[in-house]
Amino acid sequence: DTAVSQTPKYLVTQMGNDKSIKCEQNLGHDTMYWYKQDSKKFLKIMFSYNNKELIINETVPNRFSPKSPDKAHLNLHINSLELGDSAVYFCASSLTTATDTQYFGPGTRLTVL
Amino acid sequence: AQTVTQSQPEMSVQEAETVTLSCTYDTSESDYYLFWYKQPPSRQMILVIRQEAYKQQNATENRFSVNFQKAAKSFSLKISDSQLGDAAMYFCAYRSGVTGANSKLTFGKGITLSVRP
Repeated sequence: DTAVSQTPKYLVTQMGNDKSIKCEQNLGHDTMYWYKQDSKKFLKIMFSYNNKELIINETVPNRFSPKSPDKAHLNLHINSLELGDSAVYFCASSLTTATDTQYFGPGTRLTVL
Repeated sequence: AQTVTQSQPEMSVQEAETVTLSCTYDTSESDYYLFWYKQPPSRQMILVIRQEAYKQQNATENRFSVNFQKAAKSFSLKISDSQLGDAAMYFCAYRSGVTGANSKLTFGKGITLSVRP
């Protein structure tokens, strides 16, 4: 009965590889987000989708590409991974873009070697 | 752009005592929301408390309460009767009242709270 789930929880990979992180929410929410938490624990928005439409695209390298096949899913694909991409990536959702409370997934710790 | 500042990187409190975590923010908006999130070692982000800027009454959730000073742009979190399970990193966050592309959360750098038995 997990509200916002992410897979995998841990991801270890080599530089240059391509990887994806999946996010699913069963809350019936319209809006989903990706946040990045760096090694100093700082959290920053990356992307947001509302009903499968991209509404927030912060200054993120274009190696990062979000995809929303339906409003319950928001995946993050990362090409040509770099050491600096090592971080914890959080997915979150809110009922709508007008709804203030966001519910977070458990996070995916990505380690690039 | 809005900014959120948590100037204390660490705090410590004795079990059963009260502790206050500070947060200031900067915005030119009049309609917004403020939050405190807790991140324990499990790394799960847990919403502790939220405050709507248009409400003058301070939000409370059991042992957690805020002191919201809109004019001073200050939003501190008070934890009463501290418990060992309160030990975590706490993040203050801001969300614009404008919808759509402004629906993101802007976070402070966080504060690590330790609870002494």
